Amino acid sequence: GAVVSQHPSWVICKSGTSVKIECRSLDFQATTMFWYRQFPKQSLMLMATSNEGSKATYEQGVEKDKFLINHASLTLSTLTVTSAHPEDSSFYICSASPGGGNSPLHFGNGTRLTVT
Amino acid sequence: QKEVEQDPGPLSVPEGAIVSLNCTYSNSAFQYFMWYRQYSRKGPELLMYTYSSGNKEDGRFTAQVDKSSKYISLFIRDSQPSDSATYLCAMYVGAGNMLTFGGGTRLMVKP
Repeated sequence: GAVVSQHPSWVICKSGTSVKIECRSLDFQATTMFWYRQFPKQSLMLMATSNEGSKATYEQGVEKDKFLINHASLTLSTLTVTSAHPEDSSFYICSASPGGGNSPLHFGNGTRLTVT
Repeated sequence: QKEVEQDPGPLSVPEGAIVSLNCTYSNSAFQYFMWYRQYSRKGPELLMYTYSSGNKEDGRFTAQVDKSSKYISLFIRDSQPSDSATYLCAMYVGAGNMLTFGGGTRLMVKP
């Protein structure tokens, strides 16, 4: 149980275009999902907390107008990288907790974004 | 100083060895502790989840938490080449609090 599915697993796009990444909780409902970014050989960096039915909460230094988050249902959150630039190339990972509260986070398999 | 410290490695061991992975932390309020395994180009996979001090065993994996020393460990018995991955420790205070990760230790188990 507690499966988090992320799509696509990799994407290549041109500078200036937008890319949408989907994160789904397959066997549980998640009022909150989290989006992380990971650079090579580094740990995960929390970008934002996605809240179902309300605005996302962004971490300091993360541009909310660049990284649009929508959490329209209890099983789906999307991250849209707008006007992508090569420096946005990274590994993006979403996560969610099946029980809320003190249940551990489960992660999707990540999306590798390459902006050319 | 980082809130959670973890030796980045790489740690190289022969197949069958016992592996010890460790994290130290500075925030005494942390109560929930996790170990994740992350293969290259994949998301982290939850291995162990423990609350407060003590030991927890699951197959070849044992997690230990020593809150008095602010030190947690993950032991892997009879290590296999398939255990080669990056291991991340993570912890948080309680419900609604953010997860704090260590930097990860890269483990290589050689056949």
